[in-house]
Amino acid sequence: DTGVSQDPRHKITKRGQNVTFRCDPISEHNRLYWYRQTLGQGPEFLTYFQNEAQLEKSRLLSDRFSAERPKGSFSTLEIQRTEQGDSAMYLCASSSNRGTGWEKLFFGSGTQLSVL
Amino acid sequence: QKEVEQNSGPLSVPEGAIASLNCTYSDRVSQSFFWYRQYSGKSPELIMSIYSNGDKEDGRFTAQLNKASQYVSLLIRDSQPSDSATYLCAVNGNAGNMLTFGGGTRLMVKP
Repeated sequence: DTGVSQDPRHKITKRGQNVTFRCDPISEHNRLYWYRQTLGQGPEFLTYFQNEAQLEKSRLLSDRFSAERPKGSFSTLEIQRTEQGDSAMYLCASSSNRGTGWEKLFFGSGTQLSVL
Repeated sequence: QKEVEQNSGPLSVPEGAIASLNCTYSDRVSQSFFWYRQYSGKSPELIMSIYSNGDKEDGRFTAQLNKASQYVSLLIRDSQPSDSATYLCAVNGNAGNMLTFGGGTRLMVKP
């Protein structure tokens, strides 16, 4: 399978706990994006990487959120001290700024986070 | 005002009819526009892109762009029940390196 892979698919946690999600992009894609989506809403941009560099982060994103892409391949998104408002689907997407263009995002299946 | 606005729907059309989905955006410097389809419980998938004013056709889908009016639309001809999904409009915002999505329009095609 050469699509975007996310792990885990579902995560249930208690308020105040830390959680970490992983995303493996399409192998030849140098850009990786994290979006968050709640029911009935469109995806909301969180952050993006080009290779290993984090180039942009949403101004609305709490300091409790951090993302890494250490070797320019997979990425992790960590949420510290989770709150009930963090409950959402966390979507990873990748693209390439070569060939087909960076704007054609390929999404993974997402990680559904539920904070109790 | 949201940067990208869509009517949440649901938009209900009979099978075989034309479904018309609309989107407005606020950032005049936006250059690229996309329609993604999202089935319930699934992730978004790209179905159309448009960059210049006018119409762009791909099979049963036609995207229309009017930059002066800051308006993008998607027409689906000969709608099928399998087209029932949420359609997300996405715009390349002024930051230049990420897409801003609208809230989506839920389309229901009834047999």
